[in-house]
Amino acid sequence: EAGVAQSPRYKIIEKRQSVAFWCNPISGHATLYWYQQILGQGPKLLIQFQNNGVVDDSQLPKDRFSAERLKGVDSTLKIQPAKLEDSAVYLCASTRQGPISGANVLTFGAGSRLTVL
Amino acid sequence: GDSVTQMEGPVTLSEEAFLTINCTYTATGYPSLFWYVQYPGEGLQLLLKATKADDKGSNKGFEATYRKETTSFHLEKGSVQVSDSAVYFCALSEGHTGFQKLVFGTGTRLLVSP
Repeated sequence: EAGVAQSPRYKIIEKRQSVAFWCNPISGHATLYWYQQILGQGPKLLIQFQNNGVVDDSQLPKDRFSAERLKGVDSTLKIQPAKLEDSAVYLCASTRQGPISGANVLTFGAGSRLTVL
Repeated sequence: GDSVTQMEGPVTLSEEAFLTINCTYTATGYPSLFWYVQYPGEGLQLLLKATKADDKGSNKGFEATYRKETTSFHLEKGSVQVSDSAVYFCALSEGHTGFQKLVFGTGTRLLVSP
């Protein structure tokens, strides 16, 4: 099966500019996640979707970050305006599961690396 | 909230050496535990998992045992190869909302020299 697709792989912008990242999960995967991985740190969950609904966005900086998954398939994460501390790799992951039914494995995309100057 | 603590790296070993990367966790419930690996330029890949106490996960010569009494999930390999050089992340799944999400440690970089 095809993996999780993300684009762009790399993006360099100046602070206060905007940027958008796109993710296409594995076909049939109902749950989609966006993680932020700052250099030297572990990934941190930003937002979790179940189909086209938000399950958890408690760690999403909503004053500048937004995400949508309008048709319950692909998703877009936007940052506007960007700050220097937003420099990170943005990882998208998906899994088939619905409500908890065991240790379902998340499949990750290769990530989108953002550099804010 | 739930959290994962990993030993700091980098861990530098010679080929065929024994590897241990320590991981401990704090959780209110009974999480599942995972090791993910990130090779240079690639995304995170599942290495192994364990879903309950005393379970042993294994893959590609790597092993980890879910120890509830010590809240640990240490990663081991008897003989490392240069190709094992990567960053290893310990993670737990929590699901207080009824939906699973992963909480990661900070990662441990492994460097294996010939």
